[in-house]
Amino acid sequence: DAGVIQSPRHEVTEMGQEVTLRCKPISGHNSLFWYRQTMMRGLELLIYFNNNVPIDDSGMPEDRFSAKMPNASFSTLKIQPSEPRDSAVYFCASSLGQAGTGELFFGEGSRLTVL
Amino acid sequence: GENVEQHPSTLSVQEGDSAVIKCTYSDSASNYFPWYKQELGKRPQLIIDIRSNVGEKKDQRIAVTLNKTAKHFSLHITETQPEDSAVYFCAVLNNFNKFYFGSGTKLNVKP
Repeated sequence: DAGVIQSPRHEVTEMGQEVTLRCKPISGHNSLFWYRQTMMRGLELLIYFNNNVPIDDSGMPEDRFSAKMPNASFSTLKIQPSEPRDSAVYFCASSLGQAGTGELFFGEGSRLTVL
Repeated sequence: GENVEQHPSTLSVQEGDSAVIKCTYSDSASNYFPWYKQELGKRPQLIIDIRSNVGEKKDQRIAVTLNKTAKHFSLHITETQPEDSAVYFCAVLNNFNKFYFGSGTKLNVKP
């Protein structure tokens, strides 16, 4: 398996623009997580899905952030409109999902810079 | 929710010495405790994990100990090498399948 695949790897955009980050989890994994990593706040869980259903989105910063998982092999994280404080590395991760059994596999991350 | 605290935030050791990183958690129902290593510019990768029915696990130079009563677990690296230099994160999985991460420890192994 190729592992968790994220795109784009790097994105530079201007404030106010829409940003869409994409993730393909490992085949067969039924849990998918979006994390944001910054120096100040470390690894923050934004949202996670189980069997394509959003289970907990309490970490989503505000209404500018939205995430979808239309099927088991694809998820998107959208920021609209983007702001400079959204600059961070966004990681997608997947696991087999049953409580207590699932190793978390991370993608390589999408580094977002909002000017 | 779960509260995971990790100490120290930075750790500098001489090559060949041991390094210990500690984490505490708050939810007694949590049952899976992995450790991740993140090299600069890379993704976090699992290096060792332990489940709640085990007190200690070892893999070559790396070991993890768990004290469920006290709700803390530790990462031990022996005979450290320069390539061990990285940021290490502890994590806790609760019974709602939610991972909580510690704030990270930057380990520097001096040659």
